[in-house]
Amino acid sequence: EDQVTQSPEALRLQEGESSSLNCSYTVSGLRGLFWYRQDPGKGPEFLFTLYSAGEEKEKERLKATLTKKESFLHITAPKPEDSATYLCAVQASGTYKYIFGTGTRLKVLA
Amino acid sequence: DGGITQSPKYLFRKEGQNVTLSCEQNLNHDAMYWYRQDPGQGLRLIYYSQIVNDFQKGDIAEGYSVSREKKESFPLTVTSAQKNPTAFYLCASSTTGVGSGNEQFFGPGTRLTVL
Repeated sequence: EDQVTQSPEALRLQEGESSSLNCSYTVSGLRGLFWYRQDPGKGPEFLFTLYSAGEEKEKERLKATLTKKESFLHITAPKPEDSATYLCAVQASGTYKYIFGTGTRLKVLA
Repeated sequence: DGGITQSPKYLFRKEGQNVTLSCEQNLNHDAMYWYRQDPGQGLRLIYYSQIVNDFQKGDIAEGYSVSREKKESFPLTVTSAQKNPTAFYLCASSTTGVGSGNEQFFGPGTRLTVL
């Protein structure tokens, strides 16, 4: 069964304290792995797409990496405005459906 | 500006009522989706449509209905058969190119509360 698991469920960081969020996935052929940021009461905001193992994408303080079994979202020197829930999703080969993890709630303290 | 709009932002339903949530996109995407989001759970797929006049049930379609008469529009009706409709509803769209994955773009959401 296709599955996505995110860890940790919640993470509190001091401003400037770098860390990583994990997204483990089981899927029969990966078309793409997606990272989103969601603020409370709002729709998810697209961050990155990763297609194959070894691929990396960067945007400001965020860097996403992909292996054959998991993806990491690295946050370097986070700021309070990075506080949000980060969602991971995968799209399997031969389907237009997406499977979402339950997210990691990140809180960055000033 | 290209994007997805949902309306209303907040919606209140009485017992036994059907309500319709609106979703419009001007991204020229072929595929559109409806998700339900509950606290502590991932997004769960209600319905999706890859092309006009065609749609498929997702994982939790019972008590919901959709239509896709125009490429830009994908309204969701929450019927009285849905026993626990209080949730945050998200509409999304994507391209449908084969091969590589297709990122979804989301609307701002509609929060539905049953009175």
